[in-house]
Amino acid sequence: GQQLNQSPQSMFIQEGEDVSMNCTSSSIFNTWLWYKQDPGEGPVLLIALYKAGELTSNGRLTAQFGITRKDSFLNISASIPSDVGIYFCAGPPLIQGAQKLVFGQGTRLTINP
Amino acid sequence: NAGVTQTPKFRILKIGQSMTLQCTQDMNHNYMYWYRQDPGMGLKLIYYSVGAGITDKGEVPNGYNVSRSTTEDFPLRLELAAPSQTSVYFCASSYPSRGRTEAFFGQGTRLTVV
Repeated sequence: GQQLNQSPQSMFIQEGEDVSMNCTSSSIFNTWLWYKQDPGEGPVLLIALYKAGELTSNGRLTAQFGITRKDSFLNISASIPSDVGIYFCAGPPLIQGAQKLVFGQGTRLTINP
Repeated sequence: NAGVTQTPKFRILKIGQSMTLQCTQDMNHNYMYWYRQDPGMGLKLIYYSVGAGITDKGEVPNGYNVSRSTTEDFPLRLELAAPSQTSVYFCASSYPSRGRTEAFFGQGTRLTVV
């Protein structure tokens, strides 16, 4: 079954606001991946995290690998219209030999004009 | 630089028909995955492969079959299409070396079973 829980499931914000979302699991992960999916497209990798406590940025996006290795956070600063989409966390659960790549259910971001 | 290529992009099947969704990658990745995405939902793993000749079930394998005869290709077979298989199917590949597991996705195949 689903091993990654994302929160919130949806967000409605004003352009220019900062965004925070997170992903939690009952299992330990050695890798956390954050993807964005635009309508009608496949997911595109935004940030990859490989070390507990790691903080990595990609432009206005910042992601952190939780110290417990069971969670991760994604922040978007000063949101713009092209940030609209669905954000997924993903990773290979260590308990399953790190071969499967499982996904959260996604956080849908909507920006009000 | 094609990356991961899926064909067809769209398909309508009648109940009970069969079809193969094609996936090929030109990045020499050893890991490949098939996911399905239902409307408003996340991605659920159907099958995956860690190399040519090796496949394993994911979260939702029932009603599907896969094969991996080459590194490049990972086709997904539906033998008896059912309305519950209406979904968008994504293929992905990765090359986990030194602990890096970044997967790259195709554009998807939108399948409707009527």
